Amino acid sequence: QVQLVESGGGVVQPGRSLRLSCAASGFAFSSFAIHWVRQAPGKGLEWVAVVLYDGSNAYYADSVKGRFTISRDNSKNTVSLQMDRLRPEDTAVYYCAKDMASLPSPASAIPDYWGQGTLVTVSS
Amino acid sequence: DIQMTQSPSSLSAFVGDRVTITCRASLNIMIYVNWYQQKPGKAPKLLIYTASRLQSGVPSRFSGYGSGTDFTLTISNLQPEDFATYFCQQSYSSPRLTFGGGTKVEIK
Repeated sequence: QVQLVESGGGVVQPGRSLRLSCAASGFAFSSFAIHWVRQAPGKGLEWVAVVLYDGSNAYYADSVKGRFTISRDNSKNTVSLQMDRLRPEDTAVYYCAKDMASLPSPASAIPDYWGQGTLVTVSS
Repeated sequence: DIQMTQSPSSLSAFVGDRVTITCRASLNIMIYVNWYQQKPGKAPKLLIYTASRLQSGVPSRFSGYGSGTDFTLTISNLQPEDFATYFCQQSYSSPRLTFGGGTKVEIK
């Protein structure tokens, strides 16, 4: 069955960096785009970034552009989110999610399977 | 950016009721709306995609309708396990996407 497991969350000071990982299994990983979506405590869902199936293209929300970098390693079935210059407003549970569309479609922007999330707290 | 406005933000209902949640897009997004259910402490679960297609394994009491700017999610015969928060999401601007603010469905 499809499984996505996030790791790497924790408490970090403003301005510092953190790297999240998402380990995937149960599907043809290299055929699907992967998204990161976050949820601040008690708030709604905010899309963060997506990396296409081969890692050749990535897209970001304006709120994280220039600070976050998404990448993937198809040989290890993992996706990473490098978060630099963190701000208190980045505090959230971060979910990775598989896109519904497979090749030849690059992405559908429909996250159909989600991990359980990892909590990032940015605080001094 | 495409804005998704959900209403109501919360509602109370009885088991067995029929409940409808509305989502309005800031521009014409054809049928590119999806609906998710989220329970406390859990990841969102995809219920409906492209406005009206039921995701595999989702009970048929869930249904979606709409096109253009106005969309609805209806839960007929509300069950105890349906009390949760529901989010709409647009996929028109693929690969980017945006979510509505959510609707919390509570027990009356």
